[in-house]
Amino acid sequence: GQQVMQIPQYQHVQEGEDFTTYCNSSTTLSNIQWYKQRPGGHPVFLIQLVKSGEVKKQKRLTFQFGEAKKNSSLHITATQTTDVGTYFCAGSRYSGSARQLTFGSGTQLTVLP
Amino acid sequence: NAGVTQTPKFQVLKTGQSMTLQCAQDMNHEYMSWYRQDPGMGLRLIHYSVGAGITDQGEVPNGYNVSRSTTEDFPLRLLSAAPSQTSVYFCASSYRTSGGLTDTQYFGPGTRLTVL
Repeated sequence: GQQVMQIPQYQHVQEGEDFTTYCNSSTTLSNIQWYKQRPGGHPVFLIQLVKSGEVKKQKRLTFQFGEAKKNSSLHITATQTTDVGTYFCAGSRYSGSARQLTFGSGTQLTVLP
Repeated sequence: NAGVTQTPKFQVLKTGQSMTLQCAQDMNHEYMSWYRQDPGMGLRLIHYSVGAGITDQGEVPNGYNVSRSTTEDFPLRLLSAAPSQTSVYFCASSYRTSGGLTDTQYFGPGTRLTVL
């Protein structure tokens, strides 16, 4: 079945440093979503990428979808303590049904003040 | 709107006990899902519903039952709890999208279940 690998599993950074998490799929994806989960909270949708090579920005967050639509990355510039949490990617082989979403194992980000 | 609500927030069961995790949404979303979250394993889909009266299995359905009698509610039943079912359970809802998009999941706050 479809597998979505996410690295690293954990990342500790000093406040102000940059952070990147990577997501790799064993199959070509139709699209990819990113979610953030604060400690003790629930996943919250951040963004969805659809097009090959697509790059989207949300303030200090930059999301990228690979040319082959098999990998994606989330980069945070100048991390802040509010960025703490676990970031998940979720890939879909087919558009439409959320049943097709496969979540990565997540990257847990700790930001040291 | 309350969004997606789940009860209880915490539950401790003994092996062999049964229980129902409740989930409700007030966004009139067609789709509802149940996931379990275990350390280092992300979120795995248990069961899924595309509308009232329609349910389907996800990646890890064994040991769980669901029903969808109304648009709003999607309870998850543990038939005979096992320690392997110790996990955090999230309910999610979504609406149908188009244009090459996949449904965005709106998650509830979760139920933390421990099976002894």
